[in-house]
Amino acid sequence: NAGVTQTPKFQVLKTGQSMTLQCAQDMNHNSMYWYRQDPGMGLRLIYYSASEGTTDKGEVPNGYNVSRLNKREFSLRLESAAPSQTSVYFCASSARDDSGNTIYFGEGSWLTVV
Amino acid sequence: QKEVEQNSGPLSVPEGAIASLNCTYSDRGSQSFFWYRQYSGKSPELIMSIYSNGDKEDGRFTAQLNKASQYVSLLIRDSQPSDSATYLCAPPSSTNAGKSTFGDGTTLTVKP
Repeated sequence: NAGVTQTPKFQVLKTGQSMTLQCAQDMNHNSMYWYRQDPGMGLRLIYYSASEGTTDKGEVPNGYNVSRLNKREFSLRLESAAPSQTSVYFCASSARDDSGNTIYFGEGSWLTVV
Repeated sequence: QKEVEQNSGPLSVPEGAIASLNCTYSDRGSQSFFWYRQYSGKSPELIMSIYSNGDKEDGRFTAQLNKASQYVSLLIRDSQPSDSATYLCAPPSSTNAGKSTFGDGTTLTVKP
C-alpha cells in the first residue's frame, strides 16, 4: 500500500516564488492534515480537513492555502514563499479526526526558501 | 498551555537499560493515547496505543495510562541503539480548536 504520498520531496524556492505541495492518500480516510516541523521542534498544524469539502485553519496558517480536491487529495500552496517557511512539511491522514484513529504520515517534503 | 506535555529531553540511556518517557495531559475526557516514534529525517509512525487504564505490553515496549493522574508513559526495556529517536505522545483527537495535540516529543539516545 502506498499510504500517504506527498510530492515533491525536496524543493528550493526563491523568496516570493509560489509552489504547491501535493498529497494523496489511498486509505479512504476522511481527515487530512498539513503539518510543519522546524528543526528540533514539534509538529505544528497548518491546516486540516476533517472531511471532504471542509478545510480549517490550524495554528500556523498564515502564508498558506489549502485545497481538499477530493477525498484522496489535499494540497498545500505557498503563494509568496518567505525564508521563515523553510521547514519540513508533513501531510497526514486519519479515518476520523476525533475518535482515536491512527494518523498516517507521508514521508515529508523538505522546503528551503532562499 | 499545551494539551499534552512531555518530559523534556534529551534522554540518554546506556544500551540494555530501561528508558522511561512520560506525558501529562489536560483533557480529563481522554480515553486513550498513542505513542509515535520519529527517527531523524523521517516521518512519525505509530508504535503503541493504549485504550484503558493500566499497562499494555508489546515486546520490549510497555505503555501505561493513569487516568486519575492524567499521566501516560512509555517504558522501553533492554534499550537498543535502534531505539534512538524522538517519541511523540498524542491523545485520540489529533486536533483541538485548530491546534495539533501532539506533544513536542522527547528525544531518546541509546548509547552502545
